[in-house]
Amino acid sequence: DQQVKQNSPSLSVQEGRISILNCDYTNSMFDYFLWYKKYPAEGPTFLISISSIKDKNEDGRFTVFLNKSAKHLSLHIVPSQPGDSAVYFCAASSGNQFYFGTGTSLTVIP
Amino acid sequence: GAVVSQHPSRVICKSGTSVKIECRSLDFQATTMFWYRQFPKQSLMLMATSNEGSKATYEQGVEKDKFLINHASLTLSTLTVTSAHPEDSSFYICSANNPDRGSYEQYFGPGTRLTVT
Repeated sequence: DQQVKQNSPSLSVQEGRISILNCDYTNSMFDYFLWYKKYPAEGPTFLISISSIKDKNEDGRFTVFLNKSAKHLSLHIVPSQPGDSAVYFCAASSGNQFYFGTGTSLTVIP
Repeated sequence: GAVVSQHPSRVICKSGTSVKIECRSLDFQATTMFWYRQFPKQSLMLMATSNEGSKATYEQGVEKDKFLINHASLTLSTLTVTSAHPEDSSFYICSANNPDRGSYEQYFGPGTRLTVT
């Protein structure tokens, strides 16, 4: 079964507003979490990560929040820009293996 | 939910030998699978697109004679690293599209750690 889930296949947000992408996981042994951004015909590129010992990591417009008790992480993009339109994957790592969500397609409307 | 498996999860081989990595879609048929290589900054480089019943499409800079891809069935794609060198040591990840779930949903395998000694 999918150990990492992104239950929203798509999301549309107005330019300048906040985009919130959600991710849930089932394995409490995961100790590192990542977000990737993917454009068509390209591989996913690393965006931001968070260790399980933290609950928040911020990098510019991107912030990742981790709620270990709920086994939930989210990516906040603020302000959203049209160039942020892409598919976003979350991933969780335990040891040497990565488990990816299925992706959320974000569209930022100018 | 859809699951993609990879085998083996880690492999150590000697220089000059060949290694085969399998990628399987366990509960759906994948006409297209993708092979990635993960680099230290954690971005995944797309190596090739594997299409069932036809030749793989390789990205620029990827040696097709070195990284042999065979998509023999709708649930299996294999990546063979031929005449492996230490610089081929990396983390290889496959993914597959479930055509019933749209073109942008990809299911990733857990990855294979290759170490060439």
